Formats: sequence, structure tokens, C-alpha cells
Amino acid sequence: DTAVSQTPKYLVTQMGNDKSIKCEQNLGHDTMYWYKQDSKKFLKIMFSYNNKELIINETVPNRFSPKSPDKAHLNLHINSLELGDSAVYFCASSSRGGDEKLFFGSGTQLSVL
Amino acid sequence: DQQVKQNSPSLSVQEGRISILNCDYTNSMFDYFLWYKKYPAEGPTFLISISSIKDKNEDGRFTVFLNKSAKHLSLHIVPSQPGDSAVYFCAATGGGADGLTFGKGTHLIIQP
Repeated sequence: DTAVSQTPKYLVTQMGNDKSIKCEQNLGHDTMYWYKQDSKKFLKIMFSYNNKELIINETVPNRFSPKSPDKAHLNLHINSLELGDSAVYFCASSSRGGDEKLFFGSGTQLSVL
Repeated sequence: DQQVKQNSPSLSVQEGRISILNCDYTNSMFDYFLWYKKYPAEGPTFLISISSIKDKNEDGRFTVFLNKSAKHLSLHIVPSQPGDSAVYFCAATGGGADGLTFGKGTHLIIQP
């Protein structure tokens, strides 16, 4: 029974399209995150939500919009996809923000052509 | 500006020997440090952590050492096993809801 699940695992799309990545956690955690791993392999935080409220919004283009319908879900919607958006996107959750260990999903590899 | 640095992109160790992975940080506000392990096509999984009030934490074959004055931590794996071959990420946080700041990772290869 997967703790943090995200779909799809692979996403190939054309420039200019709009796409969504879904994430769900069944750990009962209050905080969820989106991280991006770029071609240089850095894992960088994009967003953090605590109990459905946005806590962190790093310098991310406003084409990226997270949506949290409830504290078990944090979806990522991306408008007008660009080539530079190609990366692996990881969803994660923790029992509280800060120094609690994060549980990660298996990642979504996004390729923009 | 990398606040967490792992200067070795890869490390090759013989099975049964000790693996030592290093990590440096620059932010003095970091007070909790973690190591994650990642296999291809999977998400990172938590391995071991250490609070800044300690200088050592041990869990089975894994030991993390923290040298606050040098802003350096290391992960020791002994004895190294083939299943330890993976990318290891060092991460740090200063608390709050800022999430974790990750290094670039070190690809550990355990040779038979």
C-alpha cells in the first residue's frame, strides 16, 4: 500500500500544452510538498502546503499552480508548458513542516517536446 | 548558491569495505540533517538523520557524524553491500515549514 503516490509516472507532451500531476498520501500527514529535480540533479522545493494552505512558494513561474482539495492531496497543474519544464517532479509529505523526515512519491518524469 | 554541497558526484567502494559519503553546508541556521537514498526511477527514501545537538547517530550499518564547527557531516556505511548502490542525498533544514535543502547527491557504487 503506497504511502505517497503520484500519477502519471511518465508524461510526454508538446510545448504550450497544459498538464496536471496528481499526488495523494495515505500517511495522515499535514504537510505536502512538490520538489523538482532538474537536469543537474538538484532537488529543489517548489511548494509546500500545510493543511491545505500554501506555506512555501519558491521562485516558480506562475504557470505552475498547486491545488490541494484536502490535506491528503496536492496536485500540480502546469500551464503553457515550456522546454525548460522538462524534469522529474517529486511529491512528498511530512507529519509537520520543518525537521520531520519527508516521504517521497516515485516521481513523474515530464518531457516537453 | 548551494547551501548543501556534496562534492563527490560518485564513489566506488568494494563490497565489505566502509563507504564514507561527505556533505558540507553553509547555512548556520540549519539544525537538522538527513540522508536519503535513491534508486533509479524511485523517489528518495529516508535513511538516517541527526540533530545539531548531537555529533553522532548510529542505525545498524549506517552512522552519521556531524561536525558543526566545520559545517560538515558524513555518512558511514559498514560493511558496504551491493544493495547499497544508489544515489545518496544529504539534506538539511532550519525548522519551520521551509522543507529540506538538498545536495546534488553522490552516486555510490559497491563493487563485488
